[in-house]
Amino acid sequence: SYELTQPPSVSVSPGQTARITCSGDALPKQYAYWYQQKPGQAPVLVIYKDSERPSGIPERFSGSSSGTTVTLTISGVQAEDEADYYCQSADSSGTYKVFGGGTKLTVL
Amino acid sequence: EVQLVESGGGLVQPGGSLRLSCAASGFTFSSYEMNWVRQAPGKGLEWVSYISSSGSTIYYADSVKGRFTISRDNAKNSLYLQMNSLRAEDTAVYYCARVGIVVVPGAFDIWGQGTMVTVSS
Repeated sequence: SYELTQPPSVSVSPGQTARITCSGDALPKQYAYWYQQKPGQAPVLVIYKDSERPSGIPERFSGSSSGTTVTLTISGVQAEDEADYYCQSADSSGTYKVFGGGTKLTVL
Repeated sequence: EVQLVESGGGLVQPGGSLRLSCAASGFTFSSYEMNWVRQAPGKGLEWVSYISSSGSTIYYADSVKGRFTISRDNAKNSLYLQMNSLRAEDTAVYYCARVGIVVVPGAFDIWGQGTMVTVSS
């Protein structure tokens, strides 16, 4: 079955830039989406179609794509950004949705 | 207010059945594709099932195929997940999630608060 690979954890100090990667063979063909999840809460969409930011999401959140890897970048990280982040996409046919394993962002 | 509210979770024995519901409000439910996503305790998100806006197209993750059935009643603004032959590994919070159309196409843009399913003897 198709898989998306994320690093389990990323740590940054406040004000620094955090980059979270997500790799998958079908990413050149399928859009990626990023969700933020805080403890005890439902996920929240932060990036759609690889690099688009929904209204209400701070400008410090951005997304990019290169080949089989997509990247979520958080510039000027704030304490409130500490959360789990999940990429999501689909297999090459677009039929089966898939989530990455998640990355825990720790703000030191 | 756009909202999804899940219900029907609980404790069930291995091999048992449970039916989850997701009530939609604040938007035209019949226009939107819907999904079920689950999260086992302390684990990541796992996509479970998809249903098209009309209900004519349905997909399942391999882990639930043949045991779970997704359905919807657009007249009642409701999404369902019938879960049979439940296993311990089905223990999770189950979320329903809407697929965006115009504003955030393709994204799971609205999520419910989740309902907990525990499979244990």
